[in-house]
Amino acid sequence: DSGVTQTPKHLITATGQRVTLRCSPRSGDLSVYWYQQSLDQGLQFLIQYYNGEERAKGNILERFSAQQFPDLHSELNLSSLELGDSALYFCASSEVGGDSDTQYFGPGTRLTVL
Amino acid sequence: GEDVEQSLFLSVREGDSSVINCTYTDSSSTYLYWYKQEPGAGLQLLTYIFSNMDMKQDQRLTVLLNKKDKHLSLRIADTQTGDSAIYFCAESLYYGGSQGNLIFGKGTKLSVKP
Repeated sequence: DSGVTQTPKHLITATGQRVTLRCSPRSGDLSVYWYQQSLDQGLQFLIQYYNGEERAKGNILERFSAQQFPDLHSELNLSSLELGDSALYFCASSEVGGDSDTQYFGPGTRLTVL
Repeated sequence: GEDVEQSLFLSVREGDSSVINCTYTDSSSTYLYWYKQEPGAGLQLLTYIFSNMDMKQDQRLTVLLNKKDKHLSLRIADTQTGDSAIYFCAESLYYGGSQGNLIFGKGTKLSVKP
């Protein structure tokens, strides 16, 4: 158990809908990262937050947005869903500024868009 | 841009050593990581190595780093059937005075035959 929690574990929805994925980082970690894992693209970085502020953006679609709240949990919002958004979404957290800034991953949320 | 490459498959017999290879492109990477993903599970951090090291050993795991060739390898000694999984190599991008997001390879699927 990495200490990073993600809910829900599974999500099935229809095209055009909007969903919210939630992540709670390890105790003490200020930074949260979101990654998408799909068969064709592999593991891709989406976005990073550090202590409530956006720090880096990767291949995140405009239909997707995220935020980190004062209690440091983060939410990833996916809207106008398409079939191709079906994937495993991982959240990771790290201390930032620590020895290796090692990222610890949550168990993921599997999103299926029908 | 940054890229991490790995061979996709490796098959070994139980008790043998497994060597999983990886090449990366970002010369500014200061940390390189190995993660393990079992079917239906999240990413488990196995080990990491700092770029000024050539080798790191952790029980059955040995990481070798050739910084000149940007080549990283993970050796698993006495491979067991429980080691069957997908192994991801990752480099971290360094910005803002600390490590940032990870760039992952496609993963190497290790199959261990009894």
